[in-house]
Amino acid sequence: GDSVTQTEGLVTLTKGLPVMLNCTYQTTYSPFLFWYVQHLNEAPKLLLKSSTDNKRTEHQGFYATLHKSSSSFHLQKSSVQLSDSALYFCALSANSNNRIFFGDGTQLVVKP
Amino acid sequence: EAAVTQSPRNKVTVTGGNVTLSCRQTNSHNYMYWYRQDTGHGLRLIHYSYGAGNLQIGDVPDGYKATRTTQEDFFLLLELASPSQTSLYFCASSPDWGGFYEQYFGPGTRLTVL
Repeated sequence: GDSVTQTEGLVTLTKGLPVMLNCTYQTTYSPFLFWYVQHLNEAPKLLLKSSTDNKRTEHQGFYATLHKSSSSFHLQKSSVQLSDSALYFCALSANSNNRIFFGDGTQLVVKP
Repeated sequence: EAAVTQSPRNKVTVTGGNVTLSCRQTNSHNYMYWYRQDTGHGLRLIHYSYGAGNLQIGDVPDGYKATRTTQEDFFLLLELASPSQTSLYFCASSPDWGGFYEQYFGPGTRLTVL
């Protein structure tokens, strides 16, 4: 069945450093990939999304490229800020069904 | 911007108690979803619906019932609450299924079962 894997449960970084949060997925159908961000005591909200192979998509300094050959959609940022501390979810939607699948989430902690 | 509201925001009940969580969206979205969020498990889908009177089973439905009374309103019912159902519950809506449609989340309801 469809699934999403996020390998890191917690990532801790110093402000100003680059970050990459891993996301891989499994589906036999054409995929749509999402990154959602959830700040403390808030609801998750969409950060960015893509369905186009090998095309970089960007929003608020974050970027990700969907690579269908490796079934990956890693989230990156070149220089993290304190305000980037949050829980990040990767999610998958495929043409086979009417729902999306969330990964377990990666907690990003940015220290001064 | 899509608006999803939930009530109550916090609820404490005892084991065996009845609980109803309410969700309303005012954006004429067809799809609505109930998730629970627990540390280490991310967002797990309980039930979802694509219109009034419709109900689809999610990944963790045991112990939960749900009802979609109108396009706007989606309720989650716990008829015999257990401590394992202590969690943060989110409702979400989307214009249509899957595909490229964003899900809009409500503010969440924190439920504690003693």
